[in-house]
Amino acid sequence: GAGVSQSPRYKVAKRGQDVALRCDPISGHVSLFWYQQALGQGPEFLTYFQNEAQLDKSGLPSDRFFAERPEGSVSTLKIQRTQQEDSAVYLCASSIGTRGTYNEQFFGPGTRLTVL
Amino acid sequence: AQKVTQAQTEISVVEKEDVTLDCVYETRDTTYYLFWYKQPPSGELVFLIRRNSFDEQNEISGRYSWNFQKSTSSFNFTITASQVVDSAVYFCALSESDKLIFGTGTRLQVFP
Repeated sequence: GAGVSQSPRYKVAKRGQDVALRCDPISGHVSLFWYQQALGQGPEFLTYFQNEAQLDKSGLPSDRFFAERPEGSVSTLKIQRTQQEDSAVYLCASSIGTRGTYNEQFFGPGTRLTVL
Repeated sequence: AQKVTQAQTEISVVEKEDVTLDCVYETRDTTYYLFWYKQPPSGELVFLIRRNSFDEQNEISGRYSWNFQKSTSSFNFTITASQVVDSAVYFCALSESDKLIFGTGTRLQVFP
C-alpha cells in the first residue's frame, strides 16, 4: 500500500485481556516507531525499531507492553493484562532513514484502544 | 530534558484571517530537528515540515510559512488566508535520540 496501515482501527478490551496491535509500514522503510496518544495530548514515544532490531524501548510504560518486528517489516505491539489507563490511540510511524537521520516519519491512522 | 511547549490550546478564526501557531522548545543538543505535523479529524498525522538547527532561514510553502529563531528557541507556524480545511490540531515536535518529542498541540478552528 501507499501508506502506513494499522489494524484493527478500533479495539475494545475488558480489563485484564491481552491485545495485539498490528502495523504495516511503508515498503522499504527501515525505521519503525510506536507512539501512544492520550486524549487531548500529543503522541508520546513508546519504542523504535531499525529493521528487526529494537534499538530503543525506553518509552514502554511497563513490562506489560511488548513490541516486535521479527522480519524487519510488519510490527506488533502487544499489551498484556490491559488496564484502564492503557486506553489511548496507538500510532505507528515509519521512516526511510536509519537511526539519527531524522527523516520525516509517516504515520498510520492509529488504533483506538478502549479498556473497560 | 527536551521539551516542546505549545501554549495556545485552541484558536478560532474566521476564514481568510491569518493565524500564527506558537512553538517554543528546550534542548541541550547542538544539532537537532524541528517538525510540524497536522492532525485532521480523521486522526492521521500529516507531515508538514522538517527544519534542522543549522538552517534558520524562514520557509514558505503556499499559504504556510515557518519562522525559526534559535535566539528565542521558537519555531512558529503561520497560515495566511486561512480556510475551513485548515481546521485541525497542529503539533510541533523536536528530535531527541531516536524519537520525536511532541507538544500538546494547538487546535485550530476556522469558521466560514
